[in-house]
Amino acid sequence: QLQLQESGPGLVKPSETLSLTCTVSGGSISSSSYYWVWIRQPPGKGLEWIGNIFYSGNIFYNPSLRSRVTISVDTSKNQFSLRLISVTAADTAVYYCARIQRAGTYYFDYWGQGTLVTVPS
Amino acid sequence: QSALTQPASVSGSPGQSVTISCTGTSSDVGTYNFVSWYQQFPGKAPKLIIYDVSKRPSGDSDRFSGSKSGNTASLTISGLQAEDEADYYCCSYAGSSTLVFGGGTKLTVL
Repeated sequence: QLQLQESGPGLVKPSETLSLTCTVSGGSISSSSYYWVWIRQPPGKGLEWIGNIFYSGNIFYNPSLRSRVTISVDTSKNQFSLRLISVTAADTAVYYCARIQRAGTYYFDYWGQGTLVTVPS
Repeated sequence: QSALTQPASVSGSPGQSVTISCTGTSSDVGTYNFVSWYQQFPGKAPKLIIYDVSKRPSGDSDRFSGSKSGNTASLTISGLQAEDEADYYCCSYAGSSTLVFGGGTKLTVL
């Protein structure tokens, strides 16, 4: 059974950089059938797609966040990561990592449990 | 890339059917049959309930069904049960390996 687990600081100061890692277990991150994705959800609000990465390094970002976001992959550790620079209180959210089925379709089939990152105002 | 439009809330009594709409544009819902729906309980990660507009994951309840017409996708929950009370989100492929979510709909079972 595939499992994804987010890790990283739960508190980030304004103007600093948010860094999270997603560790994938029970399956390989190096598959052509999947993208690996970051999604966030501010408290009491809806889901926001942040960006996808393919194991080879191809990356696709939400245009609204592109200038501040970097997603990377480390196939040797079966992990992928998120960096968000210059954070503000508006970046406070539960951050999820997930897997996208992309072979002739597009949907999220496995999700991490999510991790709350707070940026104080 | 704008969020897909969902009603903020819907409600229904046990045994009834409810439908949640998800309106996008010709750049996402209207062009691609890659609309998926997710159910989310408080404090939990979303769970896939419909993919490719109308397909259900293996073993999942057939009380959930999906459809699409033009730029609007819909999720119908039939035989409403108290356990269906949750938030529901649609998501569409929007081209160039990008995706967009709806704003979410809170389902209340009366």
